[in-house]
Amino acid sequence: GAVVSQHPSRVICKSGTSVKIECRSLDFQATTMFWYRQFPKKSLMLMATSNEGSKATYEQGVEKDKFLINHASLTLSTLTVTSAHPEDSSFYICSAIRTGGADGYTFGSGTRLTVV
Amino acid sequence: AQTVTQSQPEMSVQEAETVTLSCTYDTSESNYYLFWYKQPPSRQMILVIRQEAYKQQNATENRFSVNFQKAAKSFSLKISDSQLGDTAMYFCAFSLYDKVIFGPGTSLSVIP
Repeated sequence: GAVVSQHPSRVICKSGTSVKIECRSLDFQATTMFWYRQFPKKSLMLMATSNEGSKATYEQGVEKDKFLINHASLTLSTLTVTSAHPEDSSFYICSAIRTGGADGYTFGSGTRLTVV
Repeated sequence: AQTVTQSQPEMSVQEAETVTLSCTYDTSESNYYLFWYKQPPSRQMILVIRQEAYKQQNATENRFSVNFQKAAKSFSLKISDSQLGDTAMYFCAFSLYDKVIFGPGTSLSVIP
């Protein structure tokens, strides 16, 4: 089955620094990947849609300069949280689709970001 | 804009019993996909079942089945013979043009 690998699973960084999260589709090519943010006991909030070779499409209210997304290949998308602050602490999840939504979405295992 | 509503924030069920989780959605589109995802304490999102809107037949996957009422825009999930491993957050999701919108979730606890 389709597998999406997300790293790191946990990261602690100092306020003001940047942190990069990787999302890889291991056994399929993902032309589109998605990045979500999830607060405790809450639903997944879509942050942006990442398309290979083009600029990401951000949802309303998501700061493009704070959350940099790069989708340089058909198997890798990265989310960089720049100048991180404690309020950026959250659980970030990526997902990828193989075809136009019919097969469902495969999710990475998520990244717990803590900014101190 | 599409929205997904889950009116039951928390539910519990006795082991081996049956439970139904509710989901309603709003859209003006006619072709779309609906999903139920499970998120156990590990927080890994797991696809439980999916339904294509143009198919009238309700999807089933082993102990999981849905009641899809397109006119009512309702998509409930029935879990039969509940097991302890079914304890998780359950999210109803709507997909159109590749974008997925999630409902707020229902926390299900299976009681031994």
